[in-house]
Amino acid sequence: GAVVSQHPSRVICKSGTSVKIECRSLDFQATTMFWYRQFPKQSLMLMATSNEGSKATYEQGVEKDKFLINHASLTLSTLTVTSAHPEDSSFYICSALPSGGRKYYGYTFGSGTRLTVV
Amino acid sequence: DQQVKQNSPSLSVQEGRISILNCDYTNSMFDYFLWYKKYPAEGPTFLISISSIKDKNEDGRFTVFLNKSAKHLSLHIVPSQPGDSAVYFCAASGGSNYKLTFGKGTLLTVNP
Repeated sequence: GAVVSQHPSRVICKSGTSVKIECRSLDFQATTMFWYRQFPKQSLMLMATSNEGSKATYEQGVEKDKFLINHASLTLSTLTVTSAHPEDSSFYICSALPSGGRKYYGYTFGSGTRLTVV
Repeated sequence: DQQVKQNSPSLSVQEGRISILNCDYTNSMFDYFLWYKKYPAEGPTFLISISSIKDKNEDGRFTVFLNKSAKHLSLHIVPSQPGDSAVYFCAASGGSNYKLTFGKGTLLTVNP
């Protein structure tokens, strides 16, 4: 089945530094990838939609200059949290949509990244 | 405004019994619904989905029912097993952008 690999699984960084999270589709091509954020005991909130070869589409209230998304190939999207602050500490999850569309595979999620900013 | 609602934050059932998880939605544009299972610090795992052209979809122990007029769907797990204990998220999508909108999840505990 479709597999999405997300790295790192955990990262601790100092306030003011930047952190990059990778999301790879291992056995399929993904034209579209999604980045979510989850706070404790809360729902998954969509941050942005990443489209291969074009600019990401950000949800309302998400700072695009803070959360940089790059989708340079059909199998890789990256999320960079720039100038991280403690309030950016959260669980970040990516998902990938196979180029064949949602009907046949659903949306496959990565295993998530726990970001802690100290 | 929450477009996908899971009003029960938790549910506890006995092993072997049926688990019924409920989900309501408000957006009439949603035409595809999914259920995910999630453990702490892991990504969601796809369980089962249903298109709005159907009212039932079954896969092994999991059945999803969709009532479009009531904007309500439910996930039935029978028989429930202790390994089913996890948080279950209902999600919906519609339109051409394929974005998913999630509910807040229901923590299912299946007691041996």
